[in-house]
Amino acid sequence: NAGVTQTPKFQVLKTGQSMTLQCAQDMNHEYMSWYRQDPGMGLRLIHYSVGAGVTDQGEVPNGYNVSRSTTEDFPLRLLSAAPSQTSVYFCASSTASRNTEAFFGQGTRLTVV
Amino acid sequence: GENVEQHPSTLSVQEGDSAVIKCTYSDSASNYFPWYKQELGKRPQLIIDIRSNVGEKKDQRIAVTLNKTAKHFSLHITETQPEDSAVYFCAASPLIFGNEKLTFGTGTRLTIIP
Repeated sequence: NAGVTQTPKFQVLKTGQSMTLQCAQDMNHEYMSWYRQDPGMGLRLIHYSVGAGVTDQGEVPNGYNVSRSTTEDFPLRLLSAAPSQTSVYFCASSTASRNTEAFFGQGTRLTVV
Repeated sequence: GENVEQHPSTLSVQEGDSAVIKCTYSDSASNYFPWYKQELGKRPQLIIDIRSNVGEKKDQRIAVTLNKTAKHFSLHITETQPEDSAVYFCAASPLIFGNEKLTFGTGTRLTIIP
């Protein structure tokens, strides 16, 4: 059971480039989210999804797009990378049950130069 | 939206002593309060959580208390050990269905002094 898998683990982008951070879960969880973690600021919600075909914005959505075509996958797209998007990105999933733990992927460290 | 404040930002305690981390939240709709532990370079992992219909929950050396009226909750770690050294995050969620909308505090770096 792999849990939540994020790829890549590390990425360096040039300003203006675009890329997609991948997130996949094999727990059949309905809910998936993307967070960014910056020093001294905790984790902040970027976008989330409550099921296939449904997405919504979190606290810091600007510059990012998401889609949810399957239950398993929730990719995060950076449209035109900026240095302010240098961060560690975490994907998380959870299910609507008594055990509501949000499981996190191992993170993607992104540097925009 | 929800705002979660966490204090202190750093905490050093002698091994064997207790550690307390405190959080406040602003949105009365929040009803689920998890605590995550993050070791250096690793993912956040849930260590304990509490729902708004419960005032206290304990799991071995770790306990969480919730005061819904005052909108604050705290993490208590007793008999601290070196492996407790990590960054701890509190969070709040409306938990309407799943856990897709967590609002995190800014974290507490806990250092256990041998």
